[in-house]
Amino acid sequence: IVLTQSPATLSLSPGERATLSCRASHNIITYLAWYQQRPGQTPRLLIYDASYRAAGIPARFSGSGSGTDFTLTISSLEPEDFATYYCQQRANWPSTFGQGTKLEIK
Amino acid sequence: QLVESGGGSAEPGGSLRLSCAVSGFTFGRFAMNWVRQAPGKGLEWVSAISSSDGSTKYADPVRGRFTISRDNFKNTLFLQMNNLRADDTAVYYCARDSGVVMTAILHSWGQGTLVTVSS
Repeated sequence: IVLTQSPATLSLSPGERATLSCRASHNIITYLAWYQQRPGQTPRLLIYDASYRAAGIPARFSGSGSGTDFTLTISSLEPEDFATYYCQQRANWPSTFGQGTKLEIK
Repeated sequence: QLVESGGGSAEPGGSLRLSCAVSGFTFGRFAMNWVRQAPGKGLEWVSAISSSDGSTKYADPVRGRFTISRDNFKNTLFLQMNNLRADDTAVYYCARDSGVVMTAILHSWGQGTLVTVSS
């Protein structure tokens, strides 16, 4: 299953709302996760099964979608949110990741 | 805590064995995964192993060359990598799954170990 993330790069300012998209090549129901990777750091699980926040993840992060179209929303950007975000499907083995969206400061 | 080791340099066709030492949670209760990231590139899921029956899954590029295994007594995960290719060059992360069964929901990650394949 191929995951396509858009946009490749998103330029926003702190305090703005960010909307990141992930489209699957086949129906993955809600078996989608989102990860954040800050520069030089290890990836961190944000959202799993499309809409469930992982432990310790702030409420400004939310996920939605089902089937083939999914969205990660960050309601009000904090400075530490500027990072690369990856979606990942687990509907079918092998699990696959999208190519990533880089969220940069405008 | 997950701490990878065993990375380094290898020639094409060579072998390496990665380890991931686990502490801070009951290793035997969780499936485990390996994920890699080539320099400057995105994430690629590599392999998973259940905690109970030892069942395994592999990504297509590594199937038949890589073997995932675990020692629940030593709280350690392994990745035996044979017939290495240049495109296996990456940082390899071990990651803890949700529970006993493989779900590929990667709740916590190690810091990674770099594997470089070059002649």
